[in-house]
Amino acid sequence: ETGVTQTPRHLVMGMTNKKSLKCEQHLGHNAMYWYKQSAKKPLELMFVYSLEERVENNSVPSRFSPECPNSSHLFLHLHTLQPEDSALYLCASSQDQNTGELFFGEGSRLTVL
Amino acid sequence: AQSVAQPEDQVNVAEGNPLTVKCTYSVSGNPYLFWYVQYPNRGLQFLLKYITGDNLVKGSYGFEAEFNKSQTSFHLKKPSALVSDSALYFCAVRWYSSASKIIFGSGTRLSIRP
Repeated sequence: ETGVTQTPRHLVMGMTNKKSLKCEQHLGHNAMYWYKQSAKKPLELMFVYSLEERVENNSVPSRFSPECPNSSHLFLHLHTLQPEDSALYLCASSQDQNTGELFFGEGSRLTVL
Repeated sequence: AQSVAQPEDQVNVAEGNPLTVKCTYSVSGNPYLFWYVQYPNRGLQFLLKYITGDNLVKGSYGFEAEFNKSQTSFHLKKPSALVSDSALYFCAVRWYSSASKIIFGSGTRLSIRP
């Protein structure tokens, strides 16, 4: 049982679909993150939010759109994805953006057909 | 450039033997160092961290790690491996310059044979 919950755990979508990944943290943390994990590649940091404000955007294509409505929730909106976007998308949170370890959710396995 | 290296893609150990998973880093300033474990189809779980103080850090599931400043290493160790330790292990480093950054190593797959 982690303090970070991700839904859905599995998602299959076509290239023209619009879908969203949801992340919720129950730890009272102030920072939240999206990571992409592809086979045989290092973890890629996509976005960082601190106190609901985006503080980092690592050259992620615009077909990925994050949203952080409050410090407990983080979304990743997906639109016109490519097959190479198929990966495990991990959400994480930390006490703040400067220190401390990250707490990860179980991930959302995305397959783009 | 800041970096974290895990030089071994895979480590194979017999159950009951000691294990070591290697990590070296190159960052400016004082790093915070972490180890995470990932089981199949799961997220990463925090194992242990080094911030300051004693160079030997103890963590979850009997794991420990030794910070070596002169060698810029933070190797993960366990005196006696279990089959259930088989998983993917990630080293990570956080440092602060104008803003906090964190990067992960590429991961080492640990396989413990009965």
